[in-house]
Formats: sequence, structure tokens, C-alpha cells
Amino acid sequence: TQLLEQSPQFLSIQEGENLTVYCNSSSVFSSLQWYRQEPGEGPVLLVTVVTGGEVKKLKRLTFQFGDARKDSSLHITAAQPGDTGLYLCAGAAGGYQKVTFGTGTKLQVIP
Amino acid sequence: EAQVTQNPRYLITVTGKKLTVTCSQNMNHEYMSWYRQDPGLGLRQIYYSMNVEVTDKGDVPEGYKVSRKEKRNFPLILESPSPNQTSLYFCASSSFNYGYTFGSGTRLTVV
Repeated sequence: TQLLEQSPQFLSIQEGENLTVYCNSSSVFSSLQWYRQEPGEGPVLLVTVVTGGEVKKLKRLTFQFGDARKDSSLHITAAQPGDTGLYLCAGAAGGYQKVTFGTGTKLQVIP
Repeated sequence: EAQVTQNPRYLITVTGKKLTVTCSQNMNHEYMSWYRQDPGLGLRQIYYSMNVEVTDKGDVPEGYKVSRKEKRNFPLILESPSPNQTSLYFCASSSFNYGYTFGSGTRLTVV
């Protein structure tokens, strides 16, 4: 079973601060996804990265896929209370292989 | 609207009483999957399906069954539910590995 470890597990910051969440594995992935989940709801896809070294931006969120395709990071600039939630990374080994989810980072942005 | 529909949203049942959680997607996705989410354990894959009549075990398949007779439907069957199957369940679908669309979840309690 491939493992994806996220850090930190919990993060509580003030509105306006920047933060970075990390997703690490010893396995190589063909694609890596990031999701945000609200309590009691299903995760919502934020981005998929497929190329080593790829950087994608979604407004204040910047996603990076490691060169070796074993790790990824999510950087949020000027965090807002609406960014509060559980952030999950997920890796796919290739083709239709099963997707493994990371352990999650619970973010709280205090107004 | 593109979506994954799960039913029911909430279910309380007794040990040993067979139940089915339905899942339907309207995006013509080939790949569908079931996950359970438990505090401290994250999202764990139960079963997945790469296409009609093609299913395979995930990380925690014991006590569950699935079928994929039609592309849009992927029901989860608990033949004899036990209290350790109390959890939040999510169905998800995807085209290739470009990211999942999740349902809203089914909160199951087995007493």
C-alpha cells in the first residue's frame, strides 16, 4: 500500500498569513490531486498535477508537484476564513490504478 | 449538473440487517470507487471499478460487496453489517485519473 503523509496535521493561523502544506511519499505517482473538504461533506477537487516540477495556481493557492513525482506542496497566500477546511492530497499510480489519500491537514483561519 | 448522487444521506440500522447504499453518476465516468472516512484514519478505499463488470478490492474490502452492472451505478452492499462498519461513506467517480467527483456522503450507524 502506498502511503502519503501530510504535514502539518493541524494548522491554526490568523487571516492574512501565508502557509504551506506538504504531501510526501516514497512512491512515484503518475498524478497527484488536492482536495478541500468541509465537515460532513464530500471532498472537492482543487487541482490535478501530472508532470514532475509542474506548478499550478488557483487564485491565492499555488500547487507544486515534485520533480521526482513523489511529493507535492500547497501554498496559500493571505489566507482567509473561507479557506478553513480539511486539505487532502491523493496520489494515483497510473492508469486506472486505485487512488491513495493522504492523512489530511486541518486548517483553521481565524478572522 | 454533473454530480455523484448517494442515497441515503443518513442511515441507522441494526447488526446483521442487510443494506445497500446506492451511488449514481451522470458524467459517463469509467472509474468509480467507494471510500470510508473515520476519525484519525482518513479516507480508506473499500472497492473500485474501472468499468462495467470490472471491480477490485481496495484497502479495506472485508464485509462489503459491490457490483457494476451499468456504467452509471455502483452500489455498496453490506450483507451483515456490524458496529465497526459505522462510518461516513463516500462514493466517487473519475475519468481516467484526473480527479474525483465525490458524492455528499452517507453517514451509517450500526447498532
